[in-house]
Amino acid sequence: EADIYQTPRYLVIGTGKKITLECSQTMGHDKMYWYQQDPGMELHLIHYSYGVNSTEKGDLSSESTVSRIRTEHFPLTLESARPSHTSQYLCASRTSGNNEQFFGPGTRLTVL
Amino acid sequence: AQSVTQPDIHITVSEGASLELRCNYSYGATPYLFWYVQSPGQGLQLLLKYFSGDTLVQGIKGFEAEFKRSQSSFNLRKPSVHWSDAAEYFCAVGAPGNTPLVFGKGTRLSVIA
Repeated sequence: EADIYQTPRYLVIGTGKKITLECSQTMGHDKMYWYQQDPGMELHLIHYSYGVNSTEKGDLSSESTVSRIRTEHFPLTLESARPSHTSQYLCASRTSGNNEQFFGPGTRLTVL
Repeated sequence: AQSVTQPDIHITVSEGASLELRCNYSYGATPYLFWYVQSPGQGLQLLLKYFSGDTLVQGIKGFEAEFKRSQSSFNLRKPSVHWSDAAEYFCAVGAPGNTPLVFGKGTRLSVIA
């Protein structure tokens, strides 16, 4: 069973605040991903990592940043949140052995 | 580079009716193929996957999909839909190595009584 966690599940904040969305997995997966998804819409890859100290930008330009200091942890940070950042953020991970990818439950972010 | 097309944005079926969701991919070699399901406000759950071998794959919740190389398709099927199947369905294609999965834009399934 996949064990990938995201906190918080829901977050409502004001414009200009700094926020960090947490993502952790206990499966030892080396590859991790962040997607942005508006309700009922397609997934947009915004960041990914191949392993510790590796981060790459995805297909969709994002003002967020990520870090990968530990294998199990892949946090996403917004230095100054804006209403345009309102969306759902999904974290995912997979092992190198195949492409099967597991998703966390998501964080729904609302910026007022 | 891989790409995925899900031609149907929204499909409505009656409960108990059969279902087929279409997925076409573009990739030069044999791809890894996946179907995911997403309920509102949730993450994505893997329904089934194809890596190699038997082209008809069985998944969870009574779903199956068939890989057809000649048509570059990986359509998802279910013989009898239940109201709880109403959700968003995503097809994805992957390749060996580090390349991230490529997802289709999704098909929203509505189920009516």
